[in-house]
Amino acid sequence: NAGVTQTPKFQVLKTGQSMTLQCAQDMNHEYMSWYRQDPGMGLRLIHYSVGAGITDQGEVPNGYNVSRSTTEDFPLRLLSAAPSQTSVYFCASSYGDSLLNEQYFGPGTRLTVT
Amino acid sequence: GENVEQHPSTLSVQEGDSAVIKCTYSDSASNYFPWYKQELGKRPQLIIDIRSNVGEKKDQRIAVTLNKTAKHFSLHITETQPEDSAVYFCAAITVGQAGTALIFGKGTTLSVSS
Repeated sequence: NAGVTQTPKFQVLKTGQSMTLQCAQDMNHEYMSWYRQDPGMGLRLIHYSVGAGITDQGEVPNGYNVSRSTTEDFPLRLLSAAPSQTSVYFCASSYGDSLLNEQYFGPGTRLTVT
Repeated sequence: GENVEQHPSTLSVQEGDSAVIKCTYSDSASNYFPWYKQELGKRPQLIIDIRSNVGEKKDQRIAVTLNKTAKHFSLHITETQPEDSAVYFCAAITVGQAGTALIFGKGTTLSVSS
C-alpha cells in the first residue's frame, strides 16, 4: 500500500492563480481531511469528508473548495491564491466515518504564494 | 465549536527526565483525545490516544491521563531520550454538520538534550 499520497511536494504560485492540491489513499478509508500547518499555529482543519459526496467545512475554509467524488481521492482547490495561503498542507485519512481511529497523514505539500 | 489549548509551547529537558504536556478542551461532548508526534520535516504520526471511558492509558514510556470533569488531558513521557525531540500535538473531537472532526492544539516543541 502506498498509504496517503500528495502531489505536488512543492509549489510556487503568484497571487490570483488557482490550483488543485491532490490527495489520494489506497486504504479504502471513508474519512479524509485537509489541514494547513503554519509556524506556531499547529494543524488547522480546512475541510473534511466522511465519504464520497459528503464534505463539510473545518476551522479555516475560506478560499478553499473540496469535492469527494470517489473514496480514494480528495482534492483541495485554491480558487484565487493569496500570500496568506502560504503554508504546508497535509491531507489525512482514517478508517470509518466517525474519526475514532488513527489519522494517517500524507507527506505534505509546501505552497508558497508570492 | 471546540477549542483546544496546549501548554507549554516549548519544553526543554535533560535525557532521562520526565516531560509533561497539558491540554484543555471546551466541548464537554468530546470523547476522543489523540496525541500526535511530528519530527522535523516529517508528517504527524499518532503515538497514543484515549477515549472518554478511561482515565489513563500507558504504552511503554508514554502515558496519557484524562480528567473529563476539568476538561483537560496530559501526555507524560518518562525516561526521555534524544529521539523524543519533536513537536507534539494534542487534539479533541468536535461534531460538525457532516460528522466529527479533529481540532488540534498549537503544539509543543520538546527538546531532549543528552
